[in-house]
Amino acid sequence: ILNVEQSPQSLHVQEGDSTNFTCSFPSSNFYALHWYRWETAKSPEALFVMTLNGDEKKKGRISATLNTKEGYSYLYIKGSQPEDSATYLCAFLATGNQFYFGTGTSLTVIP
Amino acid sequence: DADVTQTPRNRITKTGKRIMLECSQTKGHDRMYWYRQDPGLGLRLIYYSFDVKDINKGEISDGYSVSRQAQAKFSLSLESAIPNQTALYFCATSAGVPEQFFGPGTRLTVL
Repeated sequence: ILNVEQSPQSLHVQEGDSTNFTCSFPSSNFYALHWYRWETAKSPEALFVMTLNGDEKKKGRISATLNTKEGYSYLYIKGSQPEDSATYLCAFLATGNQFYFGTGTSLTVIP
Repeated sequence: DADVTQTPRNRITKTGKRIMLECSQTKGHDRMYWYRQDPGLGLRLIYYSFDVKDINKGEISDGYSVSRQAQAKFSLSLESAIPNQTALYFCATSAGVPEQFFGPGTRLTVL
């Protein structure tokens, strides 16, 4: 069992604020790191799949960085909007092909 | 139509009953997964299968069994349900590249 930690557990921000959260994972046996967006009553949807140290991915106002040597990834949201409210999950894929999920960061954007 | 479907979507059952959760996919993916989600614990892997003849235990397989009837179908069984198996269950598929696609989830309550 591998430990994947996300912080903070929950976050409330005002509309227009930028925010970021962290995913920490083991630095050994790394294969990939996923970020998912999970809205209430829906299925998790993939945001980013990151595989290389130093990877930076961007989709609209959301971006992510990856540091496999120190075992962390940051997710950034620029100019948060109410529709960004969701739980953001990261999942660590080890070379053994099992996914290990963090507990998520619950983001609420207040209009 | 959804690419990954789960039936039933909601189920209430009694302690000791046998129950089966079914997952079907039209994505043509070889890899299928069953996860459970509990509040505060994130998604935990129960079983996974990389093809019809391949079944692997995940992090929390005790009390569960699976059957991969075809490439497109992966069933999860609780032989004798107990209350601490009350959870939200997700099926997921992948094509071997890191990204996973999730079904809509099955909410199971064991009384």
